[in-house]
Amino acid sequence: DSGVTQTPKHLITATGQRVTLRCSPRSGDLSVYWYQQSLDQGLQFLIQYYNGEERAKGNILERFSAQQFPDLHSELNLSSLELGDSALYFCASSVGTSGSSYNEQFFGPGTRLTVL
Amino acid sequence: SQQGEEDPQALSIQEGENATMNCSYKTSINNLQWYRQNSGRGLVHLILIRSNEREKHSGRLRVTLDTSKKSSSLLITASRAADTASYFCATAANTGFQKLVFGTGTRLLVSP
Repeated sequence: DSGVTQTPKHLITATGQRVTLRCSPRSGDLSVYWYQQSLDQGLQFLIQYYNGEERAKGNILERFSAQQFPDLHSELNLSSLELGDSALYFCASSVGTSGSSYNEQFFGPGTRLTVL
Repeated sequence: SQQGEEDPQALSIQEGENATMNCSYKTSINNLQWYRQNSGRGLVHLILIRSNEREKHSGRLRVTLDTSKKSSSLLITASRAADTASYFCATAANTGFQKLVFGTGTRLLVSP
């Protein structure tokens, strides 16, 4: 158990809908990262937050947005869903973010999203 | 797009044998990390090696890093059936941001 929790575990929805994925980082971790894992694209970085602020953006679609709240939990919002958005969405957390302070990232169990 | 390429894509061995997986990447890095994933579940962090390190050990795992060749290898010694999983390398660049860029993964099957 990494200490990172994600809800829900599974989500099945229809095209055009909007969903929210939730992540709680490990106690003491200030950075949260979101990744998408799909069969055709592999594991892709989406976005990073540090202590409530967005720090880095990757291959995140404009239909997707995220935020990190004062209690450090994070939500990933996916809207106008398409079939191709079906994937595993992982949240990870780590202690720090800047300069030479690189740390291991600890991953949650993921949310499996199926868009029908 | 992914930075890393892993080789082989799949590896099948018997329990007790060693398994070696290789990872190549394209840009300069701050560190390289190896993760394990059991059939569609979460990723488990195995080991982190920094760009100024050449070799690191953790239990039955040995990781090497050659920054001149932009490559890394993961060796699992005396493999067990429980080691069956996909293994990914992930790199963190020297940009001040810690996003990880993952390789394509190696699927390891260890048969009893």
